[in-house]
Amino acid sequence: RKEVEQDPGPFNVPEGATVAFNCTYSNSASQSFFWYRQDCRKEPKLLMSVYSSGNEDGRFTAQLNRASQYISLLIRDSKLSDSATYLCVVNGGSSNTGKLIFGQGTTLQVKP
Amino acid sequence: DAGVIQSPRHEVTEMGQEVTLRCKPISGHDYLFWYRQTMMRGLELLIYFNNNVPIDDSGMPEDRFSAKMPNASFSTLKIQPSEPRDSAVYFCASSFGQRGEQYFGPGTRLTVT
Repeated sequence: RKEVEQDPGPFNVPEGATVAFNCTYSNSASQSFFWYRQDCRKEPKLLMSVYSSGNEDGRFTAQLNRASQYISLLIRDSKLSDSATYLCVVNGGSSNTGKLIFGQGTTLQVKP
Repeated sequence: DAGVIQSPRHEVTEMGQEVTLRCKPISGHDYLFWYRQTMMRGLELLIYFNNNVPIDDSGMPEDRFSAKMPNASFSTLKIQPSEPRDSAVYFCASSFGQRGEQYFGPGTRLTVT
């Protein structure tokens, strides 16, 4: 079983749609959670951290369910510029918090 | 701020040759990470340093790979000898603090023929 699992997609949605991505992780000791965004042939960039209480940044909402070891990302009113690969990321557990483990990514294509 | 700088951006080499990838982290960052990305395996952490000291090299695939950080502003990842299966994009990233946001460089696209 992979340490971080995501549905690779692609998700093809029209502009203005709401889309949700899910991710599961295997290490119950993980303490930090993130969503990174990667554009085609570019480097990954931090989109947002994920907190236990859930957090929102504009059109983006992230949720964490520690009991189910599940993370989600919701994008509302999607824009063409949201087209990218979204990477679910968790740290390597309480003994290795510097190590980040990346999911394979979920590809989003927003169409006009 | 120039961000994380990597060189070369592209490298094409023949099997058996030595390859050296270079990274300059963001000034003031105390953590440096080397990653490899392929279609099959995604983004994998190879090794990371804290204050120039290697902390975890469990992701280094085999003895052909080595990494050094002689000072706070420079790191190298060396592959000797290179093999076609080493073809990938190699990213360097740096952060301030263990849980700080990791900033990635533009990557080095390596092709071994």
